Amino acid sequence: DGGITQSPKYLFRKEGQNVTLSCEQNLNHDAMYWYRQDPGQGLRLIYYSQIVNDFQKGDIAEGYSVSREKKESFPLTVTSAQKNPTAFYLCASSRRQDLPLHFGNGTRLTVT
Amino acid sequence: GIQVEQSPPDLILQEGANSTLRCNFSDSVNNLQWFHQNPWGQLINLFYIPSGTKQNGRLSATTVATERYSLLYISSSQTTDSGVYFCAVEKTSGSRLTFGEGTQLTVNP
Repeated sequence: DGGITQSPKYLFRKEGQNVTLSCEQNLNHDAMYWYRQDPGQGLRLIYYSQIVNDFQKGDIAEGYSVSREKKESFPLTVTSAQKNPTAFYLCASSRRQDLPLHFGNGTRLTVT
Repeated sequence: GIQVEQSPPDLILQEGANSTLRCNFSDSVNNLQWFHQNPWGQLINLFYIPSGTKQNGRLSATTVATERYSLLYISSSQTTDSGVYFCAVEKTSGSRLTFGEGTQLTVNP
């Protein structure tokens, strides 16, 4: 079955550590995205990529980094520079940027 | 950037009732999508509907692009319909999809 896999489901880290969230898709989609969701709020765009080896900052990119070395993979690194990293992180993909968006099941990151 | 406003913010229904959720946006769009987030956080794409009307089972959606709003109809609601419904819009092709704050729906048995 085609889909988007995010791992792990839950992640715990100490403050000051970098952490990388995995996102893999087998839908052959060109565009991939990372969103952040805080409790009771909507989704905010962190980074997006329309094609391999290219990505753009979203609305809240500070403290985050990404890479897009393969079409299937779009990992997100939450760096120690991110002031408030505890949140629910959602990866998504679409065949093309203006087409329907499909989400993974998310990773809940807790930093203490 | 484009503003997206969803109403009502919260809605409580009895099983079997019908409901209408609204999404207003501040500019013309070429992309509008509705999503359902279940209580476990999973987001499902319900409709891709920049204009017109679509139906999928008990759910239907209508977007009136010229008047800058979209409506999501849920008929004969079930407890599994509970969760948050998000509207997201994109102003022009290649720009960013902007999400509304969502409508929290609770369907009681």
